[in-house]
Amino acid sequence: GQQLNQSPQSMFIQEGEDVSMNCTSSSIFNTWLWYKQDPGEGPVLLIALYKAGELTSNGRLTAQFGITRKDSFLNISASIPSDVGIYFCAGGAEKLVFGKGMKLTVNP
Amino acid sequence: EAGVAQSPRYKIIEKRQSVAFWCNPISGHATLYWYQQILGQGPKLLIQFQNNGVVDDSQLPKDRFSAERLKGVDSTLKIQPAKLEDSAVYLCASSLAATWPDSPDTQYFGPGTRLTVL
Repeated sequence: GQQLNQSPQSMFIQEGEDVSMNCTSSSIFNTWLWYKQDPGEGPVLLIALYKAGELTSNGRLTAQFGITRKDSFLNISASIPSDVGIYFCAGGAEKLVFGKGMKLTVNP
Repeated sequence: EAGVAQSPRYKIIEKRQSVAFWCNPISGHATLYWYQQILGQGPKLLIQFQNNGVVDDSQLPKDRFSAERLKGVDSTLKIQPAKLEDSAVYLCASSLAATWPDSPDTQYFGPGTRLTVL
């Protein structure tokens, strides 16, 4: 089946630092989505990408749909304590396939 | 706009017992999904409904799991009998998509039901 490799698995950063994470796949996807999940809650959509090469920003978040359609990255700039959580990438074709997540810790 | 509603939020049962989860999607969303999220993993799709029809249940363990969406709105997911490895968060999501298989429409998730099987 389709699998996503999401890295890194966790990051510990200081408030104000930037952070990058990415997902790669051996399969081509039509859509890349990035979600954030807080403890005890469902994933919340951050950014959706629908075209290869697309670069999209949402506030301090920037994400890109890789030109090969097999990868995507998410950048968070000037991190703040409320950025803490687990970030998931998800690739979409007939269905969404999720990465294993990246746990972000931000030290004030 | 109200989000996806799920109940109960937490459930603790013993193995071999039965359990049911309920989901009410965002109003007007034709597509409804049930996911299983094991601790430390991303969500895994169990079943996808388009209105009241099943379009993908390839990863649903059909010997013990069942789901229905009889009127094309809310849905129930049942496990009978439960096993220890069924301990997970069960997430419901919905999306607007009225046609399939177009590229996946944006999915909105509910808060999930955390199931513990003892």
